[in-house]
Amino acid sequence: QVQLQESGPGLVEPSGTLSLTCAVSGDSINIEYWWSWVRQPPGKGLEWIGKIYHTGVTEYNPSLKSRVNFSLDKSKNQFSLNLKSVTAADTAVYYCARDGDFRFDTWGPGFLVTVSS
Amino acid sequence: QSALTQPASVSGSPGQSVTISCTGTGTDVGGFNFVSWYQQFPGNAPNLIIYHVTDRPPGVSDRFSGSKSGNTASLTISGLQPEDETTYYCFSFSGVRTWVFGGGTKLTVL
Repeated sequence: QVQLQESGPGLVEPSGTLSLTCAVSGDSINIEYWWSWVRQPPGKGLEWIGKIYHTGVTEYNPSLKSRVNFSLDKSKNQFSLNLKSVTAADTAVYYCARDGDFRFDTWGPGFLVTVSS
Repeated sequence: QSALTQPASVSGSPGQSVTISCTGTGTDVGGFNFVSWYQQFPGNAPNLIIYHVTDRPPGVSDRFSGSKSGNTASLTISGLQPEDETTYYCFSFSGVRTWVFGGGTKLTVL
């Protein structure tokens, strides 16, 4: 049974870079799945950030594309999110999820990142 | 890329059926059969309950069903139970290499 776990700094200063990692256990990321990021500002709805395929191909939300970058670390079986030039509007719970056949079938528990000085 | 339109809230009594709509356009909901639905309890990650418009993952109650007509997808919950009270989100492919969520619908069981 695959499990995902987000980790990273919980506090990021404005204009800085938000960096999160999603560790995958119970399966390899080097298979035919997309690995995705979704975020949820406090008290608000879900927002799709983007996804990365096991080959490294990426798809990003157009509204975030200029600031976001995904990467894979197959040796550690994890994938990462970098979001630069953050503001308070980027404060959210960030989820990683496995995207198989156009659906998120497995999610991490979520990780709150606060942007504040 | 705009969020799909869901009603902010719906309600129903135990045993009744409720339907949550998810309205998009011909370039997202109406153009593809890649609509999924997620149930999210406060403080928890979302959970997949419907995918490919009508399919249910193993373990999801058959009280949950999905459909689509034109640019509107729908989630129907039949035999409403108190534990169904939470927030539901739709999600759809939105054209070239993008995806979009609905704004979410809070279900209240009266």
